[in-house]
Amino acid sequence: RKEVEQDPGPFNVPEGATVAFNCTYSNSASQSFFWYRQDCRKEPKLLMSVYSSGNEDGRFTAQLNRASQYISLLIRDSKLSDSATYLCVVNGGGSGGSNYKLTFGKGTLLTVNP
Amino acid sequence: NAGVMQNPRHLVRRRGQEARLRCSPMKGHSHVYWYRQLPEEGLKFMVYLQKENIIDESGMPKERFSAEFPKEGPSILRIQQVVRGDSAAYFCASSPQEFPGGGAGELFFGEGSRLTVL
Repeated sequence: RKEVEQDPGPFNVPEGATVAFNCTYSNSASQSFFWYRQDCRKEPKLLMSVYSSGNEDGRFTAQLNRASQYISLLIRDSKLSDSATYLCVVNGGGSGGSNYKLTFGKGTLLTVNP
Repeated sequence: NAGVMQNPRHLVRRRGQEARLRCSPMKGHSHVYWYRQLPEEGLKFMVYLQKENIIDESGMPKERFSAEFPKEGPSILRIQQVVRGDSAAYFCASSPQEFPGGGAGELFFGEGSRLTVL
């Protein structure tokens, strides 16, 4: 099983659509979870952290299910500017103290069409 | 406040040459991380450094790759005798403390250095 696995995509949606991305991770000791966004040939940028209780930031909602080792991102009312690759990111976790080591999924490409 | 600065942005090398990639962390950040992104792949952790110390280089190939973060100057990722498989985007990131640490724990990435080996 891959350490972090995401929907392969790509997703093509019209403006205004709601789109959901799913992600699973294999390291049950992971403690921190994130969604990053990466525009074409650019650096990854933090979109939002993901908390156990679920969290929302404007049109974006992130959910975490530790029992299932599953993370999701929901984007409502998609905008053209949301077009990017969305990266599911999990920290190393574990007693070895490698919390600094992030594991990235391959990413899911989203294209929002006018 | 300038972000993480990487140079060169693009580097072309022939097989067997050396590549040196530089990274200046954000002001006030003393922790540097290097990640590699191969085409169509996710970012992979390579090495974590603090000033004058390599904390974890478990993600870096044992041969040909080395990294440093001297007391003065940028962090350097050095690849000797490059091969075609080294062609990738190399991203540097920095944090003010060990990531994710307290608070939001955001990791700030540079724009990357894209290495092409002919």
